[in-house]
Amino acid sequence: AQKVTQAQTEISVVEKEDVTLDCVYETRDTTYYLFWYKQPPSGELVFLIRRNSFDEQNEISGRYSWNFQKSTSSFNFTITASQVVDSAVYFCALLSGGYQKVTFGIGTKLQVIP
Amino acid sequence: NAGVTQTPKFRILKIGQSMTLQCTQDMNHNYMYWYRQDPGMGLKLIYYSVGAGITDKGEVPNGYNVSRSTTEDFPLRLELAAPSQTSVYFCASSYSQPTGMETQYFGPGTRLLVL
Repeated sequence: AQKVTQAQTEISVVEKEDVTLDCVYETRDTTYYLFWYKQPPSGELVFLIRRNSFDEQNEISGRYSWNFQKSTSSFNFTITASQVVDSAVYFCALLSGGYQKVTFGIGTKLQVIP
Repeated sequence: NAGVTQTPKFRILKIGQSMTLQCTQDMNHNYMYWYRQDPGMGLKLIYYSVGAGITDKGEVPNGYNVSRSTTEDFPLRLELAAPSQTSVYFCASSYSQPTGMETQYFGPGTRLLVL
């Protein structure tokens, strides 16, 4: 069975603080993809990153960084020097075993306070 | 490119009414998907399509139907609306090859309220 757990339902930080959003996944497939999406208050879903199961390299994009560890089945997302515009719901998703097997976490609502 | 577009943006239905949610993509993606997002929850897959003429059920297909007559369009049909179908509906598309799973790009969503 596939499962994505985002244990933090809501996080509040003060602007300029660093924040890490956790994502733990479960799958029996050896080939899979992990994603992070951002859903700002306007409601659209914005793709942030994709990582496949064979690539454990960490990724950095500006203030965003992702730490993929297969040993702990985690794909955590860190925002450095958070800004008010980072306030959104962030979803972690797992895609594996065929195109119908897409599982989203319930999301983490991040509020960045000025 | 407009990407993935959805219409309408918002709709109120009465119980038992029917409607079609429209989804169009102009990226020549072969895969298309319909999700629903209930308040405070993640997305659940309703139906998906791997190409024109081919559709299949996702996790929560009951009460919905789809068709895929063209690469661009993937409408979602609600035949007998029920309050449980109150949700935000997202359409997505991706270009996927047999050996790969590509990123899904989402439309802006359709907010549906069934009263």
